[in-house]
Amino acid sequence: QVQLVQSGAEVKKPGSSVKVSCKASGGTFSPYTINWVRQAPGHGLEWMGGLVPIFGTPNYAQRFKGRVTITTDESTSTAYMDLSSLGFEDTAVYYCARDRRGMGGFFDPWGQGTLVTVSS
Amino acid sequence: SYVLTQPPSVSVAPGQTARITCGGNNIGSKSVHWYQQKPGQAPVVVVYEDGDRPSGIPERFSDSNSGNTATLTISRVEAGDEADYYCQVWDSSSDHYVFGTGTKVTVL
Repeated sequence: QVQLVQSGAEVKKPGSSVKVSCKASGGTFSPYTINWVRQAPGHGLEWMGGLVPIFGTPNYAQRFKGRVTITTDESTSTAYMDLSSLGFEDTAVYYCARDRRGMGGFFDPWGQGTLVTVSS
Repeated sequence: SYVLTQPPSVSVAPGQTARITCGGNNIGSKSVHWYQQKPGQAPVVVVYEDGDRPSGIPERFSDSNSGNTATLTISRVEAGDEADYYCQVWDSSSDHYVFGTGTKVTVL
């Protein structure tokens, strides 16, 4: 049973970037899509983008295009989400999640979440 | 872009039935998945595809989907069912995943 373990909480300044990692244990990513979902305080879930490791072509939500980069390192079964030009509105919990059906399906499992706080 | 609309809140007494709707254009033609999220925890899928449940999810959780509305039904509600619930689909026209706005279920 694969588990996704994310990196720890981050505090960042406005205008900077953050890179969150997500490591798969007990399995690998391929051939499944690894996705990133964020949740601002008191708000709902928002899909940011995903990547099928064996294809390497990312798919980003429109509102994050140009600011988010999703990559994977299959040698270490680790996925990364890099978000640039941070603003206060990017304060949120960021989750990684695997699509159980490869692509176009549902998310299971999820990582435990990483809190990113943007503060001056 | 594809939009999924849920009621912000649903209140239900223990032992009764909770119904959470998820509205979207022709959602009946899509596979709908449902997640439960408790405070401070990551979401967990409770119903996926055509009404399947992961191991450990009780039969009290079921769903239906037709026309422009999908519905998650929780029968014989227990205090432990109090959580936020989200619907989710795949929008093939944009190749994007879409989440509903979320519904907070309160057990009275």
